Amino acid sequence: KAGVTQTPRYLIKTRGQQVTLSCSPISGHRSVSWYQQTPGQGLQFLFEYFSETQRNKGNFPGRFSGRQFSNSRSEMNVSTLELGDSALYLCASSLEESGTDTQYFGPGTRLTVL
Amino acid sequence: GENVEQHPSTLSVQEGDSAVIKCTYSDSASNYFPWYKQELGKGPQLIIDIRSNVGEKKDQRIAVTLNKTAKHFSLHITETQPEDSAVYFCAVTGYSSASKIIFGSGTRLSIRP
Repeated sequence: KAGVTQTPRYLIKTRGQQVTLSCSPISGHRSVSWYQQTPGQGLQFLFEYFSETQRNKGNFPGRFSGRQFSNSRSEMNVSTLELGDSALYLCASSLEESGTDTQYFGPGTRLTVL
Repeated sequence: GENVEQHPSTLSVQEGDSAVIKCTYSDSASNYFPWYKQELGKGPQLIIDIRSNVGEKKDQRIAVTLNKTAKHFSLHITETQPEDSAVYFCAVTGYSSASKIIFGSGTRLSIRP
């Protein structure tokens, strides 16, 4: 069974631009969660989608948004990029909602904002 | 809300020795405790997990123990090998589907040859 895939793997953007990251969960998984990982803040929860509905949201500004499609694939969008948005963005999928089920992570998308 | 503390932040052990990483949490309603290993350039990978109705779980060289009364759980790696070098994260989540998974700050484990 294929694991969680994320595209692109690396991305370089400049301040003020916007970016869209994509995540394909493990086949059959209905929940997709997004995390931001930085050396200073560690792994921070962004949001979770289950059956196309946002179920949970972390403490991030409204510039961070996401959505989930009917095939469970998910995208996250960051608008008006800031230097501090440089991070590894990780996607994780689980069979059911993450609060009750094991999460499996993708390799991440490394975003660099110049 | 839930708070998770992980110690130590760095750990260096001789190959063949054991390594122990400990996490404490604050919410007594938490009931799922996974451990993840992250190697350079990769996403975290689940290595072992435990639920609140179990006190200990073992998988070959890796074991996790849970003390619900004291609200702490630990990862034990025996007979360490060079490939065990990585960053390890503990995580905690509650029973409710509205619960978020909270991660510890990570432990960088280095195995000395």
